[in-house]
Amino acid sequence: AQTVTQSQPEMSVQEAETVTLSCTYDTSENNYYLFWYKQPPSRQMILVIRQEAYKQQNATENRFSVNFQKAAKSFSLKISDSQLGDTAMYFCAFMVGEYGNKLVFGAGTILRVKS
Amino acid sequence: DTAVSQTPKYLVTQMGNDKSIKCEQNLGHDTMYWYKQDSKKFLKIMFSYNNKELIINETVPNRFSPKSPDKAHLNLHINSLELGDSAVYFCASSQDDTQYFGPGTRLTVL
Repeated sequence: AQTVTQSQPEMSVQEAETVTLSCTYDTSENNYYLFWYKQPPSRQMILVIRQEAYKQQNATENRFSVNFQKAAKSFSLKISDSQLGDTAMYFCAFMVGEYGNKLVFGAGTILRVKS
Repeated sequence: DTAVSQTPKYLVTQMGNDKSIKCEQNLGHDTMYWYKQDSKKFLKIMFSYNNKELIINETVPNRFSPKSPDKAHLNLHINSLELGDSAVYFCASSQDDTQYFGPGTRLTVL
C-alpha cells in the first residue's frame, strides 16, 4: 500500500523568508505523480505544484519549488518570499499512474506566515 | 465560471436522515471523485467515476451511494446518517493526472 508521511504538523515563517515543508512516500511503483495542495481557511483545495516521477527536473511554479529525490522517496516543497496569503494547511499527495486513480494524502502541515 | 461546484456548502441534519450532496464540473473532464476529510483534516478517497461508470469504491459503507447521471455530474447520497459521517466532503474532477477540487460540503450530523 502506498503511504505519504508529512513529519511536520505545524511550521511558522516570517514574511519574506523561505520555508521548506517535508514529505516522504512509500511505493514500489515506478510510474507515479506527486502533488502539493494548499488548503487555506476558506477550505478550498488548491493545487500548488505537481511532479512527474519519471522527470528528474524539479518542478517550479513562481515562488514554489520542489526538491524531488526519487531514490530517497522524498518530495519537499520550498516556498520563497513567504506571503501572508501562504498561511494554510499544505498536503502532499501521491498518485500511481494517471487515469482516474486515487490521490493518497499525507496528514498535512499547517503553515503560519507571520508579519 | 466555477470549475467544480458543490451544493450545498453546509448541511446540518439529524441522525437517521437521508441527504444528498451534488457536484457539477464544467471542465469537460471524464473522471470525477468523492473524498472525505475528517475532523483531523485527513483526506481519503471514497469513489471515482469515469464516464458515468464506477471505477473506485474504497471500502465505503453501503449507506453511501454515488450516482452519475452524466459525466459532468457526480452526486453523493447518504442514507441513515450517523454521527461519524460528520466531515467535509470534496468532489474533484480530472482529465489526466491532475485533480481539481470543489469547495467542499461541510456535513454536520446531530
